[in-house]
Amino acid sequence: EIVMTQSPATLSVSPGERVTLSCRASQIVNSNLAWYQQKPGQAPRLLIYGASTRATGIPARFSGSGSGTDFSLTISNVQSEDYAVYHCHQYHNWPGWTFGQGTKVEIK
Amino acid sequence: QLQLQESGPGLVKPLETLSLTCSVSGDSISNSNYYWGWVRQPPGKGLEWIGSLYSGGRTSYNPSLKSRVTISLDTSQNQFSLKMASVTAADTAVYYCARHEPPIPGFGGVMGLDPWGQGTLVTVSS
Repeated sequence: EIVMTQSPATLSVSPGERVTLSCRASQIVNSNLAWYQQKPGQAPRLLIYGASTRATGIPARFSGSGSGTDFSLTISNVQSEDYAVYHCHQYHNWPGWTFGQGTKVEIK
Repeated sequence: QLQLQESGPGLVKPLETLSLTCSVSGDSISNSNYYWGWVRQPPGKGLEWIGSLYSGGRTSYNPSLKSRVTISLDTSQNQFSLKMASVTAADTAVYYCARHEPPIPGFGGVMGLDPWGQGTLVTVSS
């Protein structure tokens, strides 16, 4: 099983700041990685796939990077609606997809 | 616009079988070149992929759950279902259905899980 480790568990950020979330895979997953945003009581929403491609309708302030085992999600100019939990997901190993445990972005 | 909606009992007794249905609108499950999957999230925890079903009927399951899980298609109702046998308290979670492209092992081939249903909470308790 490919273990996905996200860090940190919680990030405290002020509106307007830039924040970077990390996700590390225990094995190489190439660029087969997605990021999701989840707000309380809601389903996850796809933000990024292919490690760096924004999904339809996702604002340009969200960007993804990385390949292999180390990945990051950057939110520039954090808005009030961006406070949420962010999950990474590797889909390289089929049928053994796995997710990270999530990083919570909270208001500072 | 594609929409998915989960339904099923919110309470299941230990050792019984959990049964959920995902109703799809805006696309025909049987005619699409997509996989239809299930993901769960225990309270306060991360996401876990359960398994997926191709429109042609082929299924793939999380190896850790494979012995207890069955995903099936009901083309007449444009729905797909999840059955999980011998549940315990550890199976208490919000269960989501979602769509994805056909995976290519080792090469990805997928553009993420999108869209998702709103989720349904299933509690395992006597």
